[in-house]
Amino acid sequence: DSGVTQTPKHLITATGQRVTLRCSPRSGDLSVYWYQQSLDQGLQFLIQYYNGEERAKGNILERFSAQQFPDLHSELNLSSLELGDSALYFCASSVGAYGSSGYTFGSGTRLTVV
Amino acid sequence: QQQVKQSPQSLIVQKGGISIINCAYENTAFDYFPWYQQFPGKGPALLIAIRPDVSEKKEGRFTISFNKSAKQFSLHIMDSQPGDSATYFCAAGLAGTASKLTFGTGTRLQVTL
Repeated sequence: DSGVTQTPKHLITATGQRVTLRCSPRSGDLSVYWYQQSLDQGLQFLIQYYNGEERAKGNILERFSAQQFPDLHSELNLSSLELGDSALYFCASSVGAYGSSGYTFGSGTRLTVV
Repeated sequence: QQQVKQSPQSLIVQKGGISIINCAYENTAFDYFPWYQQFPGKGPALLIAIRPDVSEKKEGRFTISFNKSAKQFSLHIMDSQPGDSATYFCAAGLAGTASKLTFGTGTRLQVTL
């Protein structure tokens, strides 16, 4: 157990729907990062939050949004889902805003859009 | 300029052999280079990391070699074991910013008996 908790582990939904993925960071970590992992594109950075504020944005679609709450858990909202959104979504956390000390990843949420 | 290129895509090594995975980066500002190991159904886990002020770092059977002038770094797994079979990702990051890691595309390693 890495200490980073992601729920749900699996999610199957239809095109056009909206889903919410949840992440609880490791105790003491203030930064949360979201990554998308698909077979052909490796780990793609989506967005980072530090202590409730957005700190960095990557290749995140406008249909996707995220937030970090006062208790530091984070949610990734995916809307108007398309088949191509099927992927593994990972959350990672780190102590500081500067992730260069390394991340701890959760086990991921496997999203299947049918 | 943020890209990290990783090769090979897949690798088969016999037990006891040396596994070598290579990565190249473009952004000379990168100053943190970790390797992650991912088993099926699990999230990536930090294996070993290096900063550009050293050319090599060794932890057990795992060694990172770093060539700053060539903008390349590699992971060597000595005495490879079947339990090392996993996907390995290199990454690069910018310290001193709200830094996210840029990952390579991954190498699927299979260690055979």
